[in-house]
Amino acid sequence: QVQLVESGGGVVQPGGSLRLSCAVSGFTFSTYGLHWVRQAPGKGLEWVSFIRFDGSNKYYADSVKGRFTISRDNSKNTLYLQMNSLRAEDTAVYYCAQDRDNPTVLRGNWGQGTLVTVSS
Amino acid sequence: IVMTQSPATLSVSPGERATLSCRASQTVSSGLAWYQQKPGQAPRLLIYGASTRATNIPARFSGSGSGTEFTLTISSLQSEDFAVYYCQQYNDWPLWTFGQGTKVEIK
Repeated sequence: QVQLVESGGGVVQPGGSLRLSCAVSGFTFSTYGLHWVRQAPGKGLEWVSFIRFDGSNKYYADSVKGRFTISRDNSKNTLYLQMNSLRAEDTAVYYCAQDRDNPTVLRGNWGQGTLVTVSS
Repeated sequence: IVMTQSPATLSVSPGERATLSCRASQTVSSGLAWYQQKPGQAPRLLIYGASTRATNIPARFSGSGSGTEFTLTISSLQSEDFAVYYCQQYNDWPLWTFGQGTKVEIK
């Protein structure tokens, strides 16, 4: 069955860095775009970033542009999010999620999330 | 695209019908999904394509609408349905936008 497993979360000081990983199994990783979505404690869902199936194009929310970098390794079926210059407002559970199949079909495969806490 | 959900909180008795609304600031065609989220869990896809139930989702969940106005209906609320519900547009590819959520609570 489909699995997305995030790792790499933890506590980091403001201004610090962290790299999240998302290990994927159960679908053909190299044919799907992938997203990162985050959720601050007690808040709603916020889209963070997207990478195309081949890594050729990357997109970011304005709130993280210039600080976060999305990447992928199709030989390892793994998605990454490098987070630099972290701020208190980046504290959240970070989820990876599979992109849509086409303009209508969405499979809804998400990981269980990894918690990032930015605090001194 | 801004997604606006209403109401913020919906108080419903078990067995009653619940109707949740989602409005998009511009058309998203049928690229609209609904998720259910319980505390400490990842969002669970209920509806995609505005009206298609995802795998293993009970028939009491139904979605309707297109363009800018959408509705999620839960025909007869069960105890396990009390949760927060989010709408999401995925038409404006590859950007995803979520509504702020509707909490369905026990009346």
